[in-house]
Amino acid sequence: AQKVTQAQTEISVVEKEDVTLDCVYETRDTTYYLFWYKQPPSGELVFLIRRNSFDEQNEISGRYSWNFQKSTSSFNFTITASQVVDSAVYFCALSAVYGNNRLAFGKGNQVVVIP
Amino acid sequence: GAVVSQHPSRVICKSGTSVKIECRSLDFQATTMFWYRQFPKQSLMLMATSNEGSKATYEQGVEKDKFLINHASLTLSTLTVTSAHPEDSSFYICSARESRENSPLHFGNGTRLTVT
Repeated sequence: AQKVTQAQTEISVVEKEDVTLDCVYETRDTTYYLFWYKQPPSGELVFLIRRNSFDEQNEISGRYSWNFQKSTSSFNFTITASQVVDSAVYFCALSAVYGNNRLAFGKGNQVVVIP
Repeated sequence: GAVVSQHPSRVICKSGTSVKIECRSLDFQATTMFWYRQFPKQSLMLMATSNEGSKATYEQGVEKDKFLINHASLTLSTLTVTSAHPEDSSFYICSARESRENSPLHFGNGTRLTVT
């Protein structure tokens, strides 16, 4: 069974502060994908990143960075110098590499950036 | 990039009526599509896996006769909420996977269903 845990439900930060979202996962698969999605108030899911379990390198994309620690089964997401437009719900998700790739989502982190 | 179109984006219907939601892959073929449901301030819960040319696979607790899924072509899957009730009001979102190996999932923009 696959399980994704996002313990922090709502996080409020003042604009320009950094915010880190924790994601801990469980899976029996030896190879898997990890994802982060952003869901703004309008509802659509915006793809942010997909990481293969083989690749433990951290990644930076603009103000976003991801820290993948396979040893602790964590895939944390940091937004640096937060902006009001970052206010959204962020979901961490997991899928097997093979098979039908169904996604297991965490409960999401509601990020509120206060101007 | 690959796009998934979901229609309608919003629908309001009366109790007892049926509503059809379409999910189309616009520039790729999708042998598999997924239908998720999201309650307010909740996560996305997988309802069913739709496979082109065969019956959908429903998750435990999802009523097959209530949520009819048809995946008649490689670019279209439909979800029909039959005899809708207010408790069916929710956000429904589909995703599609390209047919090639290790392809990523693409999500539609979702459909907000309100049953009055």
